[in-house]
Amino acid sequence: DGGITQSPKYLFRKEGQNVTLSCEQNLNHDAMYWYRQDPGQGLRLIYYSQIVNDFQKGDIAEGYSVSREKKESFPLTVTSAQKNPTAFYLCASRPAGSGETQYFGPGTRLLVL
Amino acid sequence: AQSVTQPDIHITVSEGASLELRCNYSYGATPYLFWYVQSPGQGLQLLLKYFSGDTLVQGIKGFEAEFKRSQSSFNLRKPSVHWSDAAEYFCAVANMFSGGYNKLIFGAGTRLAVHP
Repeated sequence: DGGITQSPKYLFRKEGQNVTLSCEQNLNHDAMYWYRQDPGQGLRLIYYSQIVNDFQKGDIAEGYSVSREKKESFPLTVTSAQKNPTAFYLCASRPAGSGETQYFGPGTRLLVL
Repeated sequence: AQSVTQPDIHITVSEGASLELRCNYSYGATPYLFWYVQSPGQGLQLLLKYFSGDTLVQGIKGFEAEFKRSQSSFNLRKPSVHWSDAAEYFCAVANMFSGGYNKLIFGAGTRLAVHP
């Protein structure tokens, strides 16, 4: 089945630790995105990538890093510089010519120990 | 600045009643408009979208939305709500003709509760 997978479903981070969230898609979509969701704030864009080996900062990129070495994969690293990482993280992808129609994965909830 | 406003944070309706969720956008250009639904702890599912043409668009799960340019609105409706419709609903907008990357702007969401 085609789709977007995110792992793990829950992730716990210790203070000072970097953690990486996985996002994989087998939809052959060109663009991929990472969003952060906090209660009552909707979705905020962290990073996006329109093609392999290229990515751009979104609205809240500080404390996060990404890579796009393969079309199918867009992992997000939450670094120790992100002081308030507790949130629900959503990955999305978009096919070419879709008029910005994005399709979302199931999400990863990150909690701080 | 571009923005999307969903005036209602929470809405409660009875099962079988009609539903309208409001969405207003602030955008200078012709927008792409979307409604997504999110069940607790899940990702977002696309309900419907408007790019051009007929201003009344049909989506999945019996939902429809109407684009009103004069009111900068894109309200979501359903004639008869089912208990399974309880979820959070997000309106989103993107610029149709900006070229390059079109950022998707989300509203803060409306949480729908359905009483039996």
